[in-house]
Amino acid sequence: QVQLVQSGAEVKKPGASVKVSCKVSGYTLTELSMHWVRQAPGKGLEWMGGFDPEDGETIYAQKFQGRVTMTEDTSTDTAYMELNSLRSEDTAVYYCATDAFIVGATLIHDGFDIWGQGTMVTVSS
Amino acid sequence: EIVLTQSPATLSLSPGERATLSCRASQSVSSYLAWYQQKPGQAPRLLIYDASNRATGIPARFSGSGSGTDFTLTISSLEPEDFTVYYCQQRSNWPSITFGQGTRLEIK
Repeated sequence: QVQLVQSGAEVKKPGASVKVSCKVSGYTLTELSMHWVRQAPGKGLEWMGGFDPEDGETIYAQKFQGRVTMTEDTSTDTAYMELNSLRSEDTAVYYCATDAFIVGATLIHDGFDIWGQGTMVTVSS
Repeated sequence: EIVLTQSPATLSLSPGERATLSCRASQSVSSYLAWYQQKPGQAPRLLIYDASNRATGIPARFSGSGSGTDFTLTISSLEPEDFTVYYCQQRSNWPSITFGQGTRLEIK
């Protein structure tokens, strides 16, 4: 059974960077499609970017292009999301979630059925 | 970017009633639409994927329908625990995805 465990809450000052981790257990990270979704207090879900394990490409939402970097450490099955130039509007819960996995040579899509527990990032001076 | 518009923003019903939530896409997403339930302080929970497939462990009172641009999540008989927020999400140009803005289901 796939589980995602995220790093703990962060408090950052405007202009700083934050790096959130997401440790995968029960599957191999390179065979998962890992995405990052955030949710500001009282607001809806906002997709930030995701990874295609078939071609190894990461796609970012246009809103975050140039400010976010999503990486993977395959030796530890840990995914990372780094967001730079933080502003108060970036205060949110950040989730990692997976919506597809490789079985044999086939990419199976089954929705975002596995989520991390969320990481609260607070940006405040 | 494909925009998903959910309606209504808030739906007021009583336990035992039938709930119908709508999600409209700005262009066709085929059947690549999912529905999620989110309770306060929790991560979203997948209910339906690919428009009409119930996720593992989801009660039969939840069902999804639609294709192209118009989709519906139906809860046949509301239980007290169903009163919370619901989101739709499309993956027609995966891995790029978008979410709807959400529908709040409240007790009348």
